[in-house]
Amino acid sequence: EIVLTQSPGTLSLSPGERATLSCRASQSFSSSYLAWYQQKPGQAPRLLIYGASNRATGIPDRFSGSGSGTDFTLTISRLEPEDFAVYYCQHYGDSPKMFGQGTKVEI
Amino acid sequence: QMQLVESGGGVVQPARSLRLSCAASGFTFSNYAMHWVRQAPGKGLEWLAAISYDGTYTFYAYSVRGRFTISRDNSRNSLYLQLGSLTTEDTALYHCARSRGDGKNPLDYWGQGTLVTVSS
Repeated sequence: EIVLTQSPGTLSLSPGERATLSCRASQSFSSSYLAWYQQKPGQAPRLLIYGASNRATGIPDRFSGSGSGTDFTLTISRLEPEDFAVYYCQHYGDSPKMFGQGTKVEI
Repeated sequence: QMQLVESGGGVVQPARSLRLSCAASGFTFSNYAMHWVRQAPGKGLEWLAAISYDGTYTFYAYSVRGRFTISRDNSRNSLYLQLGSLTTEDTALYHCARSRGDGKNPLDYWGQGTLVTVSS
């Protein structure tokens, strides 16, 4: 199975700053199968990015994804107050469809 | 309006079984693969199982294979997860989610979850 390791565990930033989140895989896979999700307290996760770099419907363009092989990145160009949340990457190709352990973006 | 509503959670004793349900509405359920994902209190997301749009194929995480069974009834727009041989480590919020096509697609819509607490 592919193990995803996210870093850092917690990112402490201020509104307006840039956030860079990392997701590293234990083995290479197609970027077509990498997604990022956002989860706020008490809410279900929301799909942000799929295919490593494609924004899901309704996602603002301050969110961008990049990467290939084993290294993937989610960037939030200018943090808005509503962006403070936990972010997960996921490999959704062949099963098991593993999640990373999450990165918390806090003020 | 799209909805996924989970039910069936509750307090259950160790070693017992439980069946969770997920009712879908607002979209063509039979066109989507479906998944179960859980989240233990204060922890991250754990993908558990998936089922193809027509129920032909099922897939499981190693941690639950042989204990949990995913199924669906397209005539009822419903997804199920049978949980067996429960332990305290199965205590979590259980979400259902959908993905397009063959299941090798992102989980683009999630339910709010149903809470399972395993305790004696």
